[in-house]
Amino acid sequence: DAKTTQPPSMDCAEGRAANLPCNHSTISGNEYVYWYRQIHSQGPQYIIHGLKNNETNEMASLIITEDRKSSTLILPHATLRDTAVYYCIVRVVGYNQGGKLIFGQGTELSVKP
Amino acid sequence: EPEVTQTPSHQVTQMGQEVILRCVPISNHLYFYWYRQILGQKVEFLVSFYNNEISEKSEIFDDQFSVERPDGSNFTLKIRSTKLEDSAMYFCASSGPGNIRYNEQFFGPGTRLTVL
Repeated sequence: DAKTTQPPSMDCAEGRAANLPCNHSTISGNEYVYWYRQIHSQGPQYIIHGLKNNETNEMASLIITEDRKSSTLILPHATLRDTAVYYCIVRVVGYNQGGKLIFGQGTELSVKP
Repeated sequence: EPEVTQTPSHQVTQMGQEVILRCVPISNHLYFYWYRQILGQKVEFLVSFYNNEISEKSEIFDDQFSVERPDGSNFTLKIRSTKLEDSAMYFCASSGPGNIRYNEQFFGPGTRLTVL
């Protein structure tokens, strides 16, 4: 079973920041937080990941609380093309490890004009 | 940008027939995966494959399923005798190479399997 909890759905106005929360209260010290999204029925797409520091890339920012029990994915300027299901996943990674991804139900983000 | 490709995009078959779903992972990747998503449900892990053998499989991946990397580029999922409940979108993914720590997985566009 997924080890994360996310709200089932959220709305966001186009051009505004979308803040997607995730609870992972049972995360262990060697587990990373990953975010993926799935647009329509396309293959899931990697967004970002982090361990304990905040991370930013060209797609999004990831804010992880100090106790690592929750995180927030931020899409700074949401567009209609960001409408998708967003998945928060925790997993162990390391050198030469190819661990499975366990998807929950995710958050269905609707970006509205 | 390199990408994972899958063929066919849609496969229709009769119950009891064998199907082979094909994937071409990203060329320098070493880990390969199959996932499936029944319509309206979550994405489920089926199997992972590394160094020419299965490294992990789920309860879904029973004796009716098999995977193979027949050459240096293709990665296939075979279902020997399809059932109605095998109807789903099947996603292939790859990650690696082995010295990359974070191993984000890159997914293909999927094959929609319809069993009649």
